[in-house]
Amino acid sequence: AQKVTQAQTEISVVEKEDVTLDCVYETRDTTYYLFWYKQPPSGELVFLIRRNSFDEQNEISGRYSWNFQKSTSSFNFTITASQVVDSAVYFCALSNSNYQLIWGAGTKLIIKP
Amino acid sequence: NAGVTQTPKFQVLKTGQSMTLQCAQDMNHEYMSWYRQDPGMGLRLIHYSVGAGITDQGEVPNGYNVSRSTTEDFPLRLLSAAPSQTSVYFCASSYRRESPLHFGNGTRLTVT
Repeated sequence: AQKVTQAQTEISVVEKEDVTLDCVYETRDTTYYLFWYKQPPSGELVFLIRRNSFDEQNEISGRYSWNFQKSTSSFNFTITASQVVDSAVYFCALSNSNYQLIWGAGTKLIIKP
Repeated sequence: NAGVTQTPKFQVLKTGQSMTLQCAQDMNHEYMSWYRQDPGMGLRLIHYSVGAGITDQGEVPNGYNVSRSTTEDFPLRLLSAAPSQTSVYFCASSYRRESPLHFGNGTRLTVT
């Protein structure tokens, strides 16, 4: 069975702190994609990153970075020097062999000023 | 470009009523899908389409119908609304099935 687990239901940090959102997945497919999406309080869903199973390079985009480790089936997301605007619900998702997305339950991130 | 447009934004139905949630995209995407979002459960796939004339069921299709007569439009029909269908519904599209999704702004549906 395929599954995505985001064990952290809610995280609260003070602005400028670094924060890591965990994502652990289960799949028997050898080829798959992993995604992160952001849902700010306004409710829209915004794509952040896609990673395929053959590319384990870490990715950095500004204050955002992603650590993909197949050995531990994890695809963690780190925000450096967090800002209030980073407050949102963040979803990790796995694309199965039929390219259907399996979503985690989301982590609500609260950045306090 | 408008992207993915969903209407209405809010809807209240009584049990047993029917309605159609509209979704249109202007990016010429082949892949379109409908999700529902419930608290603490992430998003769940209802139906999807890989092109005009082709639709298939997702994880939670019961109680919903879809059609894809054009590339642009992918309406979701609730034939007989039930309180269990109270949720936020998102339409999404992408260039290919494995491509990142572009989402509409969502429809908040309440069934009483």
